[in-house]
Amino acid sequence: DGGITQSPKYLFRKEGQNVTLSCEQNLNHDAMYWYRQDPGQGLRLIYYSQIVNDFQKGDIAEGYSVSREKKESFPLTVTSAQKNPTAFYLCASLGTFFGELFFGEGSRLTVL
Amino acid sequence: AQSVTQPDIHITVSEGASLELRCNYSYGATPYLFWYVQSPGQGLQLLLKYFSGDTLVQGIKGFEAEFKRSQSSFNLRKPSVHWSDAAEYFCAVGAEGGSYIPTFGRGTSLIVHP
Repeated sequence: DGGITQSPKYLFRKEGQNVTLSCEQNLNHDAMYWYRQDPGQGLRLIYYSQIVNDFQKGDIAEGYSVSREKKESFPLTVTSAQKNPTAFYLCASLGTFFGELFFGEGSRLTVL
Repeated sequence: AQSVTQPDIHITVSEGASLELRCNYSYGATPYLFWYVQSPGQGLQLLLKYFSGDTLVQGIKGFEAEFKRSQSSFNLRKPSVHWSDAAEYFCAVGAEGGSYIPTFGRGTSLIVHP
């Protein structure tokens, strides 16, 4: 089945550690996005990539990094510079027609 | 810049009652408009979308939404709510041209009483 796979679903991190969240899609979509979700704040854009080897900062990129070496993959690294990383992270890709986003199941990161 | 407002943080309805979730957007031209639903701990699923044509659009799970240009609104409706509809609902707006970055509202949490 086509879709977006995020892993891990749950992740615990100690302060000062970097962690990488995986996002893989087999929908052959060019554009991919990372959002952060906190209670009552909706979805906030971290990074997006319109094409392989290119990505742009979103509204809250500080403390995060990404890469886009393959069309299928858009991993997000939460660095130790991110001051409040505990959140739910959502990866999405952009459908071919009319702007529909396809979402993964999300990854919940908890900093201990 | 485009923006989306969902004025209701929480909505509580009884099972079987009708539902309307409000969404107002700000954008200069005709936008693409979407409603997504999110169950706890899950990703978002598209309910319906509007981009042109008939202003009343039908979606999955018995939902519909009406685009009203004069009011800059795209309200989501359902005639009879089921307990399984309890979830978070997000309205979103997108537009052609340049980098495509959809903007989401803050969401409305739907609580369904038996």
